Amino acid sequence: GAVVSQHPSWVICKSGTSVKIECRSLDFQATTMFWYRQFPKQSLMLMATSNEGSKATYEQGVEKDKFLINHASLTLSTLTVTSAHPEDSSFYICSAFPEGRGGREQFFGPGTRLTVL
Amino acid sequence: GDSVTQMEGPVTLSEEAFLTINCTYTATGYPSLFWYVQYPGEGLQLLLKATKADDKGSNKGFEATYRKETTSFHLEKGSVQVSDSAVYFCALSGVQAGTALIFGKGTTLSVSS
Repeated sequence: GAVVSQHPSWVICKSGTSVKIECRSLDFQATTMFWYRQFPKQSLMLMATSNEGSKATYEQGVEKDKFLINHASLTLSTLTVTSAHPEDSSFYICSAFPEGRGGREQFFGPGTRLTVL
Repeated sequence: GDSVTQMEGPVTLSEEAFLTINCTYTATGYPSLFWYVQYPGEGLQLLLKATKADDKGSNKGFEATYRKETTSFHLEKGSVQVSDSAVYFCALSGVQAGTALIFGKGTTLSVSS
């Protein structure tokens, strides 16, 4: 199998605080993970590509200082939303590409719903 | 750049009706194509995929054929059920391995009994 977990599954925080979301590949290693954002009733938009051992690559318009990504191991990437504001409220989904399997299928986590009050 | 265009919903059907959700794409080379389903409040689940022209992906009664000549990957099901109510996303992965998915806007399907 290829299972990706996210923690927490939902979080509510006050404006101005920081929130960390974890994305873990449970039964495979992943050099590359992706972070997507989904607003209500909209599609998924790629935020950044997380690369193990190097800096993340951010999509145009995504503030790298606000959305900190760390990919410290081959099974874990974290997204930290710093100084969160209500407009950051969204559904954040990660995905991971298994190492060494070839192909182009990536596996998605169940998502994290962030609500900023 | 690469893109995916998906028919807009919502699509409302009665149980046992035939379903088609259109999806066309623009890409260089031969991308892989996917359909994902998202149930309310949940993450994405891979429904089916196709990696080369004329491939047919199928799962749970859903089918889609990779048509290179029409750059399409339409999703079909012969008889929908209430439990199929969800949002369906068409997506493509570029020719280079390890690239992110590009998603269509999603189509909401609502099936009534």
